[in-house]
Amino acid sequence: ELKVEQNPLFLSMQEGKNYTIYCNYSTTSDRLYWYRQDPGKSLESLFVLLSNGAVKQEGRLMASLDTKARLSTLHITAAVHDLSATYFCAVSEDDKIIFGKGTRLHILP
Amino acid sequence: DAGVIQSPRHEVTEMGQEVTLRCKPISGHDYLFWYRQTMMRGLELLIYFNNNVPIDDSGMPEDRFSAKMPNASFSTLKIQPSEPRDSAVYFCASSYGSQGYTFGSGTRLTVV
Repeated sequence: ELKVEQNPLFLSMQEGKNYTIYCNYSTTSDRLYWYRQDPGKSLESLFVLLSNGAVKQEGRLMASLDTKARLSTLHITAAVHDLSATYFCAVSEDDKIIFGKGTRLHILP
Repeated sequence: DAGVIQSPRHEVTEMGQEVTLRCKPISGHDYLFWYRQTMMRGLELLIYFNNNVPIDDSGMPEDRFSAKMPNASFSTLKIQPSEPRDSAVYFCASSYGSQGYTFGSGTRLTVV
């Protein structure tokens, strides 16, 4: 059974700082997804990572994938308040994707 | 495209009543998924369809839950009878292959 673990589950950080969210998963998979969810809202797709060593960047967010280590990271550079949200990683298994518990990110001004 | 459309946005019902949640996927998408989100359990996959056929319903918690997809543009998730522990946000998502899901806005269900 595929398990997806994120850490930390909660992160409070100052604006301007850098931080990394980690996503570990338990079985081999060829696709990893990162989503963002604002309070009371739906999930928004951020990144789809398809291969070992894949790196994608959008603004202050950068995601990477190491399939051998079964690890993905979401790096936040010079955080701003607008990035406050819950971030989920999800891993594909057959035709479906399984989500981690999410990392609730709170950025203090 | 209007995206994945779910209705209703909010539903409050009394315990024991039947609840039907509705979803219209993005046109051309061949997969449809139903998820449930709670604080305690996070996002749980309930069931998913491929080309209108249910593929995996192992996440459906009990026989009180059922889902149908009579055609490519419509799916329902029904709870009968509803219980307070069913209170959650129910999301529908669709995808074309494994290109990543597009989620609907969700239905917030409260069973009192």
